[in-house]
Amino acid sequence: DGGITQSPKYLFRKEGQNVTLSCEQNLNHDAMYWYRQDPGQGLRLIYYSQIVNDFQKGDIAEGYSVSREKKESFPLTVTSAQKNPTAFYLCASRSGVSNQPQHFGDGTRLSIL
Amino acid sequence: GNSVTQMEGPVTLSEEAFLTINCTYTATGYPSLFWYVQYPGEGLQLLLKATKADDKGSNKGFEATYRKETTSFHLEKGSVQVSDSAVYFCALSSMEYGNKLVFGAGTILRVKS
Repeated sequence: DGGITQSPKYLFRKEGQNVTLSCEQNLNHDAMYWYRQDPGQGLRLIYYSQIVNDFQKGDIAEGYSVSREKKESFPLTVTSAQKNPTAFYLCASRSGVSNQPQHFGDGTRLSIL
Repeated sequence: GNSVTQMEGPVTLSEEAFLTINCTYTATGYPSLFWYVQYPGEGLQLLLKATKADDKGSNKGFEATYRKETTSFHLEKGSVQVSDSAVYFCALSSMEYGNKLVFGAGTILRVKS
């Protein structure tokens, strides 16, 4: 089955640690996205990548970093500079064809110990 | 810039009631419009989409019509079920904005039996 796999489903971070969230897709999509969702709120864009080896900041990139070395993979690192990292993180991908929707993974819930 | 406004929730309905969730948008160019649904603890699933004025998207009994004159994309269902309880997000994307999705804040729907 084609889809987007996010791992782990739950993640805990100690103060001062960096953690990396995995996102893998086998849909052969060109573009990939990371969103943050806080309780009772909509989704906010962290970073996105439209092609391999290229990515752009979204609306709330501070304290986060990404890489796009392979088409299938777009890992997100939550650094210690992110002061309020507790949230639900969603990865999405989209084909390069115009008017196509984004497809989402099942998310990773990050909590601070 | 582009933006989406949804009616605030939660919306609480009895089973078999008629559902309307209002969505209006502001965008440059000719956006594509989407409704996504999120069940507890899961990612977002595409519910329906419309890519040009007067298009009607439909899926699983839900419908929404792209109204350019009123910049609206209201979600409707004739008879809701308990299993429709979820959070519903209206979103848009446009080429002028790099095909990034802009989301509304989401509307919680609760259906009682």
